[in-house]
Amino acid sequence: GESVGLHLPTLSVQEGDNSIINCAYSNSASDYFIWYKQESGKGPQFIIDIRSNMDKRQGQRVTVLLNKTVKHLSLQIAATQPGDSAVYFCADPDTDYKLSFGAGTTVTVRA
Amino acid sequence: NAGVTQTPKFRILKIGQSMTLQCTQDMNHNYMYWYRQDPGMGLKLIYYSVGAGITDKGEVPNGYNVSRSTTEDFPLRLELAAPSQTSVYFCASSYSRRGRYSNQPQHFGDGTRLSIL
Repeated sequence: GESVGLHLPTLSVQEGDNSIINCAYSNSASDYFIWYKQESGKGPQFIIDIRSNMDKRQGQRVTVLLNKTVKHLSLQIAATQPGDSAVYFCADPDTDYKLSFGAGTTVTVRA
Repeated sequence: NAGVTQTPKFRILKIGQSMTLQCTQDMNHNYMYWYRQDPGMGLKLIYYSVGAGITDKGEVPNGYNVSRSTTEDFPLRLELAAPSQTSVYFCASSYSRRGRYSNQPQHFGDGTRLSIL
């Protein structure tokens, strides 16, 4: 079964506000997580990743937080823009790099 | 670089027909993958390959076959198309297996949208 899952299927955000997308995982041995963004009609696109020896990692306008105690990670998008409207997936690779995807959170940015 | 290229982008098949979905990558990646994505769902792994000549089943392999004769190409074949195979198919590749110091996310193509009627 799935080893990762997203908490909310949809998120509506006002343009300029911050977005927070949550994800839970079940495998305590997981030590590397990836966030993907999928725009309509496109394949998933790598956003940011994090290893289990880190609690936080920042990219351009995105931050991923990892809480290993409760097996939870989140993706924060600062100053959400219309171009951020997409489906966001967290993914957990296993030893052969097979990815388990959650169902995704659809983010809609309101003007 | 083109990255991962999938052809065709769209296809309509009749039940019982066969077809091959093409996937090629120009990043010299060892690992390649086929996923299917049904509406409102995450991606499910069909088959994967860790190198030329080596393939293995994923979560949902029934009704599909793959081959990996070269590093670049990883075609997916549907032998007897069924309505349940209507989906969007994504091919992906990555450089190497996950290692202790390896951060190697998969790179995806833009998908093949397949309808079987």
